[in-house]
Amino acid sequence: RKEVEQDPGPFNVPEGATVAFNCTYSNSASQSFFWYRQDCRKEPKLLMSVYSSGNEDGRFTAQLNRASQYISLLIRDSKLSDSATYLCVVNVHVYGNNRLAFGKGNQVVVIP
Amino acid sequence: SAVISQKPSRDICQRGTSLTIQCQVDSQVTMMFWYRQQPGQSLTLIATANQGSEATYESGFVIDKFPISRPNLTFSTLTVSNMSPEDSSIYLCSVDGQSDTQYFGPGTRLTVL
Repeated sequence: RKEVEQDPGPFNVPEGATVAFNCTYSNSASQSFFWYRQDCRKEPKLLMSVYSSGNEDGRFTAQLNRASQYISLLIRDSKLSDSATYLCVVNVHVYGNNRLAFGKGNQVVVIP
Repeated sequence: SAVISQKPSRDICQRGTSLTIQCQVDSQVTMMFWYRQQPGQSLTLIATANQGSEATYESGFVIDKFPISRPNLTFSTLTVSNMSPEDSSIYLCSVDGQSDTQYFGPGTRLTVL
């Protein structure tokens, strides 16, 4: 089983609409969770950390479900500039090493 | 967050040759990481580089193919040795931030002919 699984999409979203997507992770010991944004031909950039109680940053809301081992991201009032790939990222502890595992990303295309 | 630069930003190389990618950070950092991102794929960690010690390689990556240097707390290099077309990829360095976050350099786009 992959460490982080995401449905790559694409998710075609009308401008102004709401879009939500999930990812699942396999390592139950993971403690840190993030959403990164990656624009075409650019490096990933941290969008937001994901906290156990859920958290919001403007139009973006992240949720964590530890029991089911999934993380979600919701984007409200989508803007054209939200078009990007959203990477689900989880820290993985393996044999004393701590590293990040990345999903393939959810590709979001906001349509005028 | 740290400001990270990479050189070269892109290169086209012949098979059998080697390329060294440089990563420079504007502040001292403990951990630096090297990733590969192949087209349409997620980021895959190649190795973790700590200053003053040997790099730690992930499964499937070996020092002979991807030698890494970490001479100080602001700089690291990754060499892709004896390249083949399968090595065509984007190579990214990153540094650790607070609470397990990482910040990435702009990447090096490598094409091997």
